[in-house]
Amino acid sequence: GAGVSQSPRYKVAKRGQDVALRCDPISGHVSLFWYQQALGQGPEFLTYFQNEAQLDKSGLPSDRFFAERPEGSVSTLKIQRTQQEDSAVYLCASSSRGYNSPLHFGNGTRLTVT
Amino acid sequence: QKEVEQNSGPLSVPEGAIASLNCTYSDRGSQSFFWYRQYSGKSPELIMFIYSNGDKEDGRFTAQLNKASQYVSLLIRDSQPSDSATYLCAVDPLEAGNNRKLIWGLGTSLAVNP
Repeated sequence: GAGVSQSPRYKVAKRGQDVALRCDPISGHVSLFWYQQALGQGPEFLTYFQNEAQLDKSGLPSDRFFAERPEGSVSTLKIQRTQQEDSAVYLCASSSRGYNSPLHFGNGTRLTVT
Repeated sequence: QKEVEQNSGPLSVPEGAIASLNCTYSDRGSQSFFWYRQYSGKSPELIMFIYSNGDKEDGRFTAQLNKASQYVSLLIRDSQPSDSATYLCAVDPLEAGNNRKLIWGLGTSLAVNP
């Protein structure tokens, strides 16, 4: 079946603009994660959903970051009043409920704030 | 603070040789261990996962886990230029509350020279 789909693939925003990043997980996957990856770094956890419930948002760097998954499928990561330090690749991953279920990543959205 | 450490490399091996990638982790209670491969500009893709002490083989890849030493490794036999990528080690500490939040290393860059 289809993998994790993210859109847009690239986003350029002027500082202060709001952006919305979309993630469409693998059908039936219960868990959904958002990560931020800077160049040369490993992914940094942002937030985690189990179905529609946001169980952990401890990685969101500020209150400008907001994520939702209202129907337990598609998720949106919103960044308000973007800053240059928000420039990174934003990765979405999903997994099934199983104990050792691995993460399946989307292709990411590369956000550049100018 | 829970940590996962990897040698950043670059690790350079000739084509056909065995590449050995190492990872150590600080949380003794960690349960599951994952190796992801990430090509430049692409998202991480799962190579292998392991949760029992010992070796797990899949084609040219072997994961080795030693929980007593808090050490997990990935061996790539008959290395090919197409194996050139960054290899990310990720550890699942299975924190209380059933909240899966992987802890990632920074990755080891592997270069396989023809």
